[in-house]
Amino acid sequence: DADVTQTPRNRITKTGKRIMLECSQTKGHDRMYWYRQDPGLGLRLIYYSFDVKDINKGEISDGYSVSRQAQAKFSLSLESAIPNQTALYFCATSDRTSGRSWNEQFFGPGTRLTVL
Amino acid sequence: SQQGEEDPQALSIQEGENATMNCSYKTSINNLQWYRQNSGRGLVHLILIRSNEREKHSGRLRVTLDTSKKSSSLLITASRAADTASYFCATALETGANNLFFGTGTRLTVIP
Repeated sequence: DADVTQTPRNRITKTGKRIMLECSQTKGHDRMYWYRQDPGLGLRLIYYSFDVKDINKGEISDGYSVSRQAQAKFSLSLESAIPNQTALYFCATSDRTSGRSWNEQFFGPGTRLTVL
Repeated sequence: SQQGEEDPQALSIQEGENATMNCSYKTSINNLQWYRQNSGRGLVHLILIRSNEREKHSGRLRVTLDTSKKSSSLLITASRAADTASYFCATALETGANNLFFGTGTRLTVIP
């Protein structure tokens, strides 16, 4: 979906390096998410944010940090990359919803990260 | 883990046939969603079914939900080669965690 963009699309780095993955959206959504996808494991949530001042850890947040610089921007950082963080990373957005009903999510094209 | 499990893991059919994929989950849900992923690309939302719904249609897609069995199925009728992709179910819990839980996916191959 062109409304959700991720940079870079591919990145190869070395163990110990700090890496930042960026996500921008033009959908006007409040909620943004970072997932990683590994073969055979589906998608796992790393962090999510309901607005600029609200950041929450997901299922696998260790080794990652995030920054919500603006409503439209949500960055994921690997402070000291390690080989088992090699994966496909996706950013997603969703619209505000009332109560506990969860709306559909819109995904970016993904960033393929390789840590050597 | 609430993570859904799709069955089968892989499915290969001839163009024109129907494809059925199943999803099972563990705890009460608010809704269940199906997504499609072309190889190495982002996921695309297909359909959402709420816990009080039993069946939903969208074009060639038919989704059923059986909350008593904690399972859902996705049927793609009259499949096309372009339907080749991975399909994931995702559950939104009734209470608790504020995120979707994705299954491991079914890889569908439609042979022309």
